[in-house]
Amino acid sequence: EAGVAQSPRYKIIEKRQSVAFWCNPISGHATLYWYQQILGQGPKLLIQFQNNGVVDDSQLPKDRFSAERLKGVDSTLKIQPAKLEDSAVYLCASSSQGAAGYGYTFGSGTRLTVV
Amino acid sequence: KQEVTQIPAALSVPEGENLVLNCSFTDSAIYNLQWFRQDPGKGLTSLLLIQSSQREQTSGRLNASLDKSSGRSTLYIAASQPGDSATYLCAVRVAGGTSYGKLTFGQGTILTVHP
Repeated sequence: EAGVAQSPRYKIIEKRQSVAFWCNPISGHATLYWYQQILGQGPKLLIQFQNNGVVDDSQLPKDRFSAERLKGVDSTLKIQPAKLEDSAVYLCASSSQGAAGYGYTFGSGTRLTVV
Repeated sequence: KQEVTQIPAALSVPEGENLVLNCSFTDSAIYNLQWFRQDPGKGLTSLLLIQSSQREQTSGRLNASLDKSSGRSTLYIAASQPGDSATYLCAVRVAGGTSYGKLTFGQGTILTVHP
């Protein structure tokens, strides 16, 4: 089965600019997650979608971050305007609700550098 | 609030050694626990998934144990190889509530296996 696809792989922007990341989950996975991983730390959940509805966005800085999941498949995460502290790897993951135990599959991530 | 701690933060061993990575979590109400591997600049690769009702899982040279009541998990790597060098992340999945499905990660253990 194809994995979780993310693009772009790398992005360098200046502070106050905007940026968008794209994720295509594994086919049939109802749940999609965006995580932020700052260098030297474990990933932190930003937002969780179930189909095209938001389940948890309590850790999403809503004054600058937004996310959507169109038709319950692809998702985009946007930052506007970016700050220096947004420099991190943004990971997308998806999971099914099958008997396998809700295992996660992660994409390769997008490394964002804000200068 | 669930907190996950991994010890040690970094580990350097000679090739061939058996080693143990530790993970502890504060809230025993988990659905499962997952160990991931992360290579530099890459996403997360799932290594082992242990359901809350299980005590351990094995895959090749890897063995993970879970003691839910004490909030501890260990990842045992037998006969380590230089190719095992990576960051190892432990994550627990919350059971129930609005954050159902969310993974809470530790900060990771950076493993270096030298020839």
